Amino acid sequence: AQTVTQSQPEMSVQEAETVTLSCTYDTSESDYYLFWYKQPPSRQMILVIRQEAYKQQNATENRFSVNFQKAAKSFSLKISDSQLGDAAMYFCAYRSGNQFYFGTGTSLTVIP
Amino acid sequence: GAGVSQSPRYKVTKRGQDVALRCDPISGHVSLYWYRQALGQGPEFLTYFNYEAQQDKSGLPNDRFSAERPEGSISTLTIQRTEQRDSAMYRCASSLAGTGGTYEQYFGPGTRLTVT
Repeated sequence: AQTVTQSQPEMSVQEAETVTLSCTYDTSESDYYLFWYKQPPSRQMILVIRQEAYKQQNATENRFSVNFQKAAKSFSLKISDSQLGDAAMYFCAYRSGNQFYFGTGTSLTVIP
Repeated sequence: GAGVSQSPRYKVTKRGQDVALRCDPISGHVSLYWYRQALGQGPEFLTYFNYEAQQDKSGLPNDRFSAERPEGSISTLTIQRTEQRDSAMYRCASSLAGTGGTYEQYFGPGTRLTVT
């Protein structure tokens, strides 16, 4: 069965600094997709970044980038120049076919 | 509306009652997903529709849970004979397509169900 593990229940970062959130997953599939979602206190789910497993190049979206290590089944999220608005719960998600699997989340605090 | 909507936003019901949760996806979105999210946890997959066809219901916890999407648009998740352990946030998400590409899922605001 596919599983997604986020080993850091809570993280904190100083405003303007960089933080990395870790995610590992378990799969026997070769074709899949990975996502990071942000859930602010409003509890909306907002897509931050996505990565296709067949692409070797790491995805980047402005201040957000990933370190995708396919062999290690690792998919970490790096947030650069952290802002107060980045404070939220972050979920890593794996998709193969029509099923999505989410990790348990990492709560990020941004310290002014 | 531009986004996925869900109703009601909050539902309090007594144990043993049936509840129906509604999801109105983004117009034109083919795929619709239902998730359950407990506090402090990530969303847990329940079921998935492609148009009106329920493609996967392997995540439904037991036969008290059912879902339908009769016209390929609005979907209803029904929980019969509710139990306290059913209390959670129930989320709906839709996307342009389900199995191809990195199609983004757009999540609704969720229905917070409390069973007393």
